[in-house]
Amino acid sequence: EAGVTQFPSHSVIEKGQTVTLRCDPISGHDNLYWYRRVMGKEIKFLLHFVKESKQDESGMPNNRFLAERTGGTYSTLKVQPAELEDSGVYFCASSVLDGSPPEAFFGQGTRLTVV
Amino acid sequence: QKEVEQNSGPLSVPEGAIASLNCTYSDRGSQSFFWYRQYSGKSPELIMFIYSNGDKEDGRFTAQLNKASQYVSLLIRDSQPSDSATYLCAVKATDSWGKLQFGAGTQVVVTP
Repeated sequence: EAGVTQFPSHSVIEKGQTVTLRCDPISGHDNLYWYRRVMGKEIKFLLHFVKESKQDESGMPNNRFLAERTGGTYSTLKVQPAELEDSGVYFCASSVLDGSPPEAFFGQGTRLTVV
Repeated sequence: QKEVEQNSGPLSVPEGAIASLNCTYSDRGSQSFFWYRQYSGKSPELIMFIYSNGDKEDGRFTAQLNKASQYVSLLIRDSQPSDSATYLCAVKATDSWGKLQFGAGTQVVVTP
């Protein structure tokens, strides 16, 4: 069974440019989460989808970040325009809806560097 | 005050010894607690979860929870070089469905 897949694994962009990160969750996982780890800090929650609906987007830093999950399958996270402080590792995680098992499976992350 | 706090380490442990990792959390209403292991450049991997006060054992790993003290720990017995990784403590937030709050992680180095 394929795990959570994220594309790209690395991205280097200039300040002001746009970047789109993609996450393919495990098949059948209705919960999809985005997290971010900034250098030297803990992993922080960004938002949570249940199927195609945003359940909680309280962690989104500002309106330069836009997440979508069309059809309840893969998700994209777009940063437009990117700023230097957006650099970090963006993780996607997925889990089953009923919480059994409770495990959230994480992807390997996308390392974003804004220069 | 951070929501979840861990010592950053590194925690150096001789091979075969017990590694003891600690985590405290601020939300007294928290009910679900997780330990993830993360190798450098890899995804976090769940190794233990615990919901009730007391100990929970799985192989060489034991998670301990004390809700009154808002404290959760992880013991790794018979530590192996392959246990060298960063261990992340995570707490399910009470104000959201499924959201995890992470500590900064403790780096463990097992020396042969």
